[in-house]
Amino acid sequence: GQNIDQPTEMTATEGAIVQINCTYQTSGFNGLFWYQQHAGEAPTFLSYNVLDGLEEKGRFSSFLSRSKGYSYLLLKELQMKDSASYLCAVRPPVGNMLTFGGGTRLMVKP
Amino acid sequence: EAQVTQNPRYLITVTGKKLTVTCSQNMNHEYMSWYRQDPGLGLRQIYYSMNVEVTDKGDVPEGYKVSRKEKRNFPLILESPSPNQTSLYFCASSLTGQGIEAFFGQGTRLTVV
Repeated sequence: GQNIDQPTEMTATEGAIVQINCTYQTSGFNGLFWYQQHAGEAPTFLSYNVLDGLEEKGRFSSFLSRSKGYSYLLLKELQMKDSASYLCAVRPPVGNMLTFGGGTRLMVKP
Repeated sequence: EAQVTQNPRYLITVTGKKLTVTCSQNMNHEYMSWYRQDPGLGLRQIYYSMNVEVTDKGDVPEGYKVSRKEKRNFPLILESPSPNQTSLYFCASSLTGQGIEAFFGQGTRLTVV
């Protein structure tokens, strides 16, 4: 089975840095995705990690430790438009199915 | 423009009245899937399809049917909707392979009364 945990809500200040954690316990692993979802809208792809380490993409970075079943999404220089839910999803060894965590709702305050 | 299109965006229906939510993608993706999203439960997969005429159950398939007669279309069918199927539904598609992200449709907000 799959179990993916993320904090439900986080609050941060505009211009600051925030780290959103995701832990997973899965029967097999073939990559971890982060998606951003604004309220009422479709999730959009942010990042993908399959090997241990940090992947940087502009203001967003994502880290993976497979031995610890742990990932985080790091958002720098926060902007008001970053207020959204951030979804962690794990892919199994075979197929394209994604199992999602419950999502972390990030509120960015002025 | 590459996209996944769902219709309708909003639907209110009554218990037991069969309905179909359509999903179409123009990216020649092999893989398509349906999710429902409920508060506190996140996105849960209903059904998925690896290619034409190949479909399989996800985590919450009860009360739903799908078909994949053509590569671009993957409709979701509720034969006899019930209030517990009130939810926000997303269709997604992707190519198969390592690290390929899924593209999501804009969502269908379904209310069953």
